[in-house]
Amino acid sequence: AQTVTQSQPEMSVQEAETVTLSCTYDTSESNYYLFWYKQPPSRQMILVIRQEAYKQQNATENRFSVNFQKAAKSFSLKISDSQLGDTAMYFCAFNAGGTSYGKLTFGQGTILTVHP
Amino acid sequence: DAGITQSPRHKVTETGTPVTLRCHQTENHRYMYWYRQDPGHGLRLIHYSYGVKDTDKGEVSDGYSVSRSKTEDFLLTLESATSSQTSVYFCAIAPTGFDEQFFGPGTRLTVL
Repeated sequence: AQTVTQSQPEMSVQEAETVTLSCTYDTSESNYYLFWYKQPPSRQMILVIRQEAYKQQNATENRFSVNFQKAAKSFSLKISDSQLGDTAMYFCAFNAGGTSYGKLTFGQGTILTVHP
Repeated sequence: DAGITQSPRHKVTETGTPVTLRCHQTENHRYMYWYRQDPGHGLRLIHYSYGVKDTDKGEVSDGYSVSRSKTEDFLLTLESATSSQTSVYFCAIAPTGFDEQFFGPGTRLTVL
């Protein structure tokens, strides 16, 4: 079975500081996609960033970047210059091929609170 | 925002009654999904569809059925609702099975 683990149920950070959210996963597939989704209090699921497993370069989107360690099956999200609007639940997810083609597997989520 | 709507947005029902949730898209995406979200579990896949009349089970499909007779609509049915099905239900769509998924606004279902 493919699994995603987010070991930090809750995190907090001061505005303008940097925070890193952890995610590990387990799969036997060699090609897959990894995602971080954000869910603010509005409940809407919003894609933050995606990473394709065959790409060596870590993905970046403005203040958001990932540290993708394929051998360690680790996919952490770094948020730089944190803003109050970053307060949300963050979900790590991955989409593998093979028999799981088309299915996203989610972690349990990390609640991030940004303090002024 | 991707054109995805869910109806109803909120529903309260009683144990044993049938419930149908509707997901409607205007993006003409091939893949459609139903998830449930519960505290401590993240989002879990109930059923998904990879084309009209083509559906498959997810990890928590017991007690749920789906139908897709048109590209734009994906229905989730609880034949006889139970309190354990109280949850927030999300629909999602994607152009292919490997793409990011776009989510609807969610439906909060309470089964008394």
